[in-house]
Amino acid sequence: KAGVTQTPRYLIKTRGQQVTLSCSPISGHRSVSWYQQTPGQGLQFLFEYFSETQRNKGNFPGRFSGRQFSNSRSEMNVSTLELGDSALYLCASKGRGLPAPGNEQFFGPGTRLTVL
Amino acid sequence: SQQGEEDPQALSIQEGENATMNCSYKTSINNLQWYRQNSGRGLVHLILIRSNEREKHSGRLRVTLDTSKKSSSLLITASRAADTASYFCATVDSRRRQAGTALIFGKGTTLSVSS
Repeated sequence: KAGVTQTPRYLIKTRGQQVTLSCSPISGHRSVSWYQQTPGQGLQFLFEYFSETQRNKGNFPGRFSGRQFSNSRSEMNVSTLELGDSALYLCASKGRGLPAPGNEQFFGPGTRLTVL
Repeated sequence: SQQGEEDPQALSIQEGENATMNCSYKTSINNLQWYRQNSGRGLVHLILIRSNEREKHSGRLRVTLDTSKKSSSLLITASRAADTASYFCATVDSRRRQAGTALIFGKGTTLSVSS
């Protein structure tokens, strides 16, 4: 079956703009998590959604937001972009049921965001 | 904030050699996972070891866990050029109810296997 897909794969924006990234989980998976990866901070958790509800949120400013749709697809939005938001944004999906800490997470290829 | 630290940060070996990477973490865990990432792409789950396990094998991978030292190691035997990637350990803070399934990653070890 198809894996996690993320669109777009690459994005260039300028400071002050906003951006929306999209993630489609593996078919049947209802849980989606987002992570930010930068050379300085490494991989950091952004949010987790299950059945359209945000279950958990990482330590990021309110400029970072997300949502999940009834078909489990998820979007994250970053408003008022800053240079430091340049990163690889990764989406991961987990199984059909309520996610548990031991669940394997299946990652998409990521969206490379560059803020100029 | 990150809690894991991998050691070494970078490792270069020849094909056929074994590669050992270490990971330390700071909080209580129920399990520890290892992921691989090829050149800035998505992560691939390699193996999970539960807190009540000391060692686990999967193909050429061997993982150990020492909860008393809050450390884990990943051994890749008979390395191949295709093993060239970054390797991350990941945990979930079991003390925090709000942690959900949010993975806390280490900084990773970059492995380079030359033929």
